[in-house]
Amino acid sequence: AQSVSQHNHHVILSEAASLELGCNYSYGGTVNLFWYVQYPGQHLQLLLKYFSGDPLVKGIKGFEAEFIKSKFSFNLRKPSVQWSDTAEYFCALKDPNTGKLIFGQGTTLQVKP
Amino acid sequence: DGGITQSPKYLFRKEGQNVTLSCEQNLNHDAMYWYRQDPGQGLRLIYYSQIVNDFQKGDIAEGYSVSREKKESFPLTVTSAQKNPTAFYLCASSVASGGSYEQYFGPGTRLTVT
Repeated sequence: AQSVSQHNHHVILSEAASLELGCNYSYGGTVNLFWYVQYPGQHLQLLLKYFSGDPLVKGIKGFEAEFIKSKFSFNLRKPSVQWSDTAEYFCALKDPNTGKLIFGQGTTLQVKP
Repeated sequence: DGGITQSPKYLFRKEGQNVTLSCEQNLNHDAMYWYRQDPGQGLRLIYYSQIVNDFQKGDIAEGYSVSREKKESFPLTVTSAQKNPTAFYLCASSVASGGSYEQYFGPGTRLTVT
């Protein structure tokens, strides 16, 4: 069965610190992977996505993620976080047959000014 | 201005009552989805519709029902059979269920049942 696991449930960083949020998935076929972000009081919005090609994917607001097939991972990174990055982050795997998204449990990021 | 609207933003109901959550999109998307968000559990799929007049159960469909009579609308009814209905409900849509299309999410409805 397909599944997504996010290891860090709550991360606290100071501004300018580097960020890496872990995401591992379980699926034997071709993967389509996403990172979504939910800022306080706002819609869930797409940060970046991976479908094929370059395993290093760049998204909005300076975020990037690397797809490592051998490790079944799709970790999210940002070299220097800002207070405005405080949000909940979700990793998701797309089922290619139904289009449904299978989400990880989410990681709450708190950035201290 | 294209997007997904969900109404109301907050909804309060008494136990034993059915309640319908609205989801409308003007993006001309074929596929629509309903998710439930609970703290520490991420989002879980309730129902989805790949095309108008068709829908399928997701992972946690028990106690819920949907309809898809119009392309732009995908209402969700939370019935009295849903054992733990208090949650944040998110509607999403996508150009199509397959292919390299992402899902776009609405603002959500927070339902509280007492």
